[in-house]
Amino acid sequence: DVKVTQSSRYLVKRTGEKVFLECVQDMDHENMFWYRQDPGLGLRLIYFSYDVKMKEKGDIPEGYSVSREKKERFSLILESASTNQTSMYLCASSLGSGLAGDEQYFGPGTRLTVT
Amino acid sequence: AQKVTQAQTEISVVEKEDVTLDCVYETRDTTYYLFWYKQPPSGELVFLIRRNSFDEQNEISGRYSWNFQKSTSSFNFTITASQVVDSAVYFCALSGGNNAGNMLTFGGGTRLMVKP
Repeated sequence: DVKVTQSSRYLVKRTGEKVFLECVQDMDHENMFWYRQDPGLGLRLIYFSYDVKMKEKGDIPEGYSVSREKKERFSLILESASTNQTSMYLCASSLGSGLAGDEQYFGPGTRLTVT
Repeated sequence: AQKVTQAQTEISVVEKEDVTLDCVYETRDTTYYLFWYKQPPSGELVFLIRRNSFDEQNEISGRYSWNFQKSTSSFNFTITASQVVDSAVYFCALSGGNNAGNMLTFGGGTRLMVKP
């Protein structure tokens, strides 16, 4: 079974803090993704990575950066957290066969509150 | 640009009722994939089904069935004889054929509440 784990289920941070969200997958997947989920907006892609040290911006990258130093680990970084970044953050991975039809496997999510 | 619309934000039914969740999509790709995911209260999205644009056959899996119609750009999901355990948020998603990065465009989700 594919397993995607995220470092925290709940996180509370103060405005201006640097925040790290960690994601690890155990199936040797090429692709990894970070989404944020807000009510009524569904999931919106922040960044994705298709290989170690490779990344692409998604739909809403502003205020975020990512790091992928090892294949199994993909980190999302909020350089200076703001209250409008309060949200549920979901990490996902997919095989990376080169086809658009690969299903994505999701972690349990991190609910981040910025006060 | 791709877009997925789930017009029903919330549906409430009584157990054993049938319920259909609507999904309408927009894409310029000739090859694409459609997905349904379920998000139970625990939060983790669970993959339910994938359909490619060349396969318009309806699919049935137990109490779940999916109706894909290219003519109306719809990929609707029906749960027959709903159960309380079906209560969740359901997302429809689209991935374009030229998208080797496998990026998904999600709809806004439909929250289904099944009451005993």
